[in-house]
Amino acid sequence: LAKTTQPISMDSYEGQEVNITCSHNNIATNDYITWYQQFPSQGPRFIIQGYKTKVTNEVASLFIPADRKSSTLSLPRVSLSDTAVYYCLSQGGNFNKFYFGSGTKLNVKP
Amino acid sequence: NAGVTQTPKFQVLKTGQSMTLQCAQDMNHNSMYWYRQDPGMGLRLIYYSASEGTTDKGEVPNGYNVSRLNKREFSLRLESAAPSQTSVYFCASKIGMEDTQYFGPGTRLTVL
Repeated sequence: LAKTTQPISMDSYEGQEVNITCSHNNIATNDYITWYQQFPSQGPRFIIQGYKTKVTNEVASLFIPADRKSSTLSLPRVSLSDTAVYYCLSQGGNFNKFYFGSGTKLNVKP
Repeated sequence: NAGVTQTPKFQVLKTGQSMTLQCAQDMNHNSMYWYRQDPGMGLRLIYYSASEGTTDKGEVPNGYNVSRLNKREFSLRLESAAPSQTSVYFCASKIGMEDTQYFGPGTRLTVL
């Protein structure tokens, strides 16, 4: 089953771009990469999903290289409200079995 | 459109007691999920239901049972609660295979 590895924590300052990298060395051919955001005492919330190359939405960008063994979530110009835990998931070949891992705790400072 | 709702929000049990956590979604989603999240940890899948009438084990199913009552509702039962089941429980749903999950607000359970 494809599982992911992320840094435990990151610090940033308001207005900076933040890049969080996720490693998924055992990703399967039909797996998608999905990122979620979780604030304290809330359920996770979807940010972005991709299969390969680059995906961009109003919140973030997702970069997936050709070998798909890693991915990078890019948050442009973060604010204090972006302080949260960010989870990278790959589907593991079964679109109903999700492995969240421990996530990356992003701390945005003023 | 309330999304995914969970009841209760908080619960305290004594060891050996039983209870059922309720989850409902009004988005006509096919798949529903139960996760637990221990302090400082990520979410772990307990059980899921890919469609009405089916349920399957996730990563940590021991000590739990589930029922997919209808398309809207998916309940999680603890038959004999243990302190190791102290956690926050999240329910989620999604419409199709490649779609993203929508999460409820969670139930904070403490077992003494």
